[in-house]
Amino acid sequence: GQQLNQSPQSMFIQEGEDVSMNCTSSSIFNTWLWYKQDPGEGPVLLIALYKAGELTSNGRLTAQFGITRKDSFLNISASIPSDVGIYFCAGRRLTGGGNKLTFGTGTQLKVEL
Amino acid sequence: DGGITQSPKYLFRKEGQNVTLSCEQNLNHDAMYWYRQDPGQGLRLIYYSQIVNDFQKGDIAEGYSVSREKKESFPLTVTSAQKNPTAFYLCASSKQRNTEAFFGQGTRLTVV
Repeated sequence: GQQLNQSPQSMFIQEGEDVSMNCTSSSIFNTWLWYKQDPGEGPVLLIALYKAGELTSNGRLTAQFGITRKDSFLNISASIPSDVGIYFCAGRRLTGGGNKLTFGTGTQLKVEL
Repeated sequence: DGGITQSPKYLFRKEGQNVTLSCEQNLNHDAMYWYRQDPGQGLRLIYYSQIVNDFQKGDIAEGYSVSREKKESFPLTVTSAQKNPTAFYLCASSKQRNTEAFFGQGTRLTVV
């Protein structure tokens, strides 16, 4: 099955820095979701996007649904130690996906104090 | 409180034995899903169910079986035919087929 291309694979940043990660696909998607997973736990939904161009915020997190509908971005401003974890994008293809969610390979975020 | 409960958190089994992982939700969600996660990889869909008494194979269904006799429950059986069963298994549910999916806390299965 297809997995989305997510980058970077990992990031090691200083506390207080802003973070950007993105997710791309060769297919058009009609839904983009961003999740965060702590070690040994299930992913927790952060932001859901349903319209091309949509920009949505959740506290220090901002995500955008790309205009081409083939990509999405997640930004975290002023990172703090509890932002550590793995961030996954997930999307539903417009056609041919059977409404199933396809996941990215994850971006591991590490924050240095 | 509403949510998705997976049990047990950790499970050990001998090679060749079938094992069943439990997933229960009290969110009144119609759709339920099972994913497998291996280290350094994303989530891969095993099976999903949109409605009671109906389920569909995902991308990696071989060696697994499911049932959906009740709306609240979607147990996953890892059979002896699954060649590499050791993994982290995640159950999820969503209100309808095209809305957000919410996850349980996962079951880590180790087969020795």
